[in-house]
Amino acid sequence: EAQVTQNPRYLITVTGKKLTVTCSQNMNHEYMSWYRQDPGLGLRQIYYSMNVEVTDKGDVPEGYKVSRKEKRNFPLILESPSPNQTSLYFCASSIRDRLTPNSPLHFGNGTRLTVT
Amino acid sequence: SQELEQSPQSLIVQEGKNLTINCTSSKTLYGLYWYKQKYGEGLIFLMMLQKGGEEKSHEKITAKLDEKKQQSSLHITASQPSHAGIYLCGADWTSSYGKLTFGQGTILTVHP
Repeated sequence: EAQVTQNPRYLITVTGKKLTVTCSQNMNHEYMSWYRQDPGLGLRQIYYSMNVEVTDKGDVPEGYKVSRKEKRNFPLILESPSPNQTSLYFCASSIRDRLTPNSPLHFGNGTRLTVT
Repeated sequence: SQELEQSPQSLIVQEGKNLTINCTSSKTLYGLYWYKQKYGEGLIFLMMLQKGGEEKSHEKITAKLDEKKQQSSLHITASQPSHAGIYLCGADWTSSYGKLTFGQGTILTVHP
């Protein structure tokens, strides 16, 4: 089954304790992206990657890191989480590329992060 | 102000009623996407629109993109409780495929 898999689904942590949220897709997509969702603010893009070893900032990249060492995986890293990073996080992938730039995203089921 | 504005922010309707959700862009759209989300869950892709005047339908949901490609509407006919959720529109503003921006969402409640 074609899917985007995020882990964990729920995570509670304390301020300053480094964490990683994993994201994996089995559709051989070059494009992957991370979003956070907050009430009243909708989905905001954190980082995106157009291919292996190619990453770029979205609208709210501060406090986050990503890496794209292989096509299927795109982990989101919070080096020193703070309470304002408490949010619902979504990973997405797509067939988007230079030939088909306007293509929809396929989303994972989300990771609910609480930072105390 | 939002570059991609959805209205209304929330909507409560009685089962069987028709409803419309709007998505207005401050810039010309290269691609407009509609998604549905059950509370706390992932987003389900509904439809994509690219051409001015384009209209697509899926079951009882119809989406349109205006001729100027700056506004889209999502229309649900004879709403059912299964239509309840959050509807989000997403926009490509260029042919560069990096960023896809979303509106703040419309929360739809359908009372049986």
